[in-house]
Amino acid sequence: SQTIHQWPATLVQPVGSPLSLECTVEGTSNPNLYWYRQAAGRGLQLLFYSVGIGQISSEVPQNLSASRPQDRQFILSSKKLLLSDSGFYLCAWSVVRDEQYFGPGTRLTVT
Amino acid sequence: GQQLNQSPQSMFIQEGEDVSMNCTSSSIFNTWLWYKQDPGEGPVLLIALYKAGELTSNGRLTAQFGITRKDSFLNISASIPSDVGIYFCAGQSSTNAGKSTFGDGTTLTVKP
Repeated sequence: SQTIHQWPATLVQPVGSPLSLECTVEGTSNPNLYWYRQAAGRGLQLLFYSVGIGQISSEVPQNLSASRPQDRQFILSSKKLLLSDSGFYLCAWSVVRDEQYFGPGTRLTVT
Repeated sequence: GQQLNQSPQSMFIQEGEDVSMNCTSSSIFNTWLWYKQDPGEGPVLLIALYKAGELTSNGRLTAQFGITRKDSFLNISASIPSDVGIYFCAGQSSTNAGKSTFGDGTTLTVKP
């Protein structure tokens, strides 16, 4: 069966510090991978998606970047965090149509 | 870009009551999906719909793909306390293959 991991689960970082969030998927090959951000009490904002290694599409101009160094690994990064980067970050994968399966999320607080 | 209007934004109901929520779009979708998110966790896929008019059930949940392909409905029968959470609809169109547009969610509170 397929599983998706995200870490860390929670993170508190000062403004201006770098960020690296990691997502890995097990039990499937060549998945589509997605990064979403969810503000408190709000919906899901698609940040990046990838259809293959090294293929990244950015949905929203911002302070973040994504990379896919391996088939089942998706990384979200920032060189300098802003207060507005705080939120709940979700990674998701799909292989069948657009049925997306989400990870447990990372709660990021920028102070 | 494409937008989904999900309503109601929130619902407060008594245990045992039935619940209905819906999503509408100005665009035609080929796929409608319904997710549930528990507090502090990632959304979980509940039901996927692929054909206009399709009616699909998952336990006490029933969802329908609107005939116009611009709307979808989710019904929950005989609600229980564990139904509490945020329900999201999502749609995918042929012009946005591989990406879903999500509604803003319906927050459901069930009073015992």
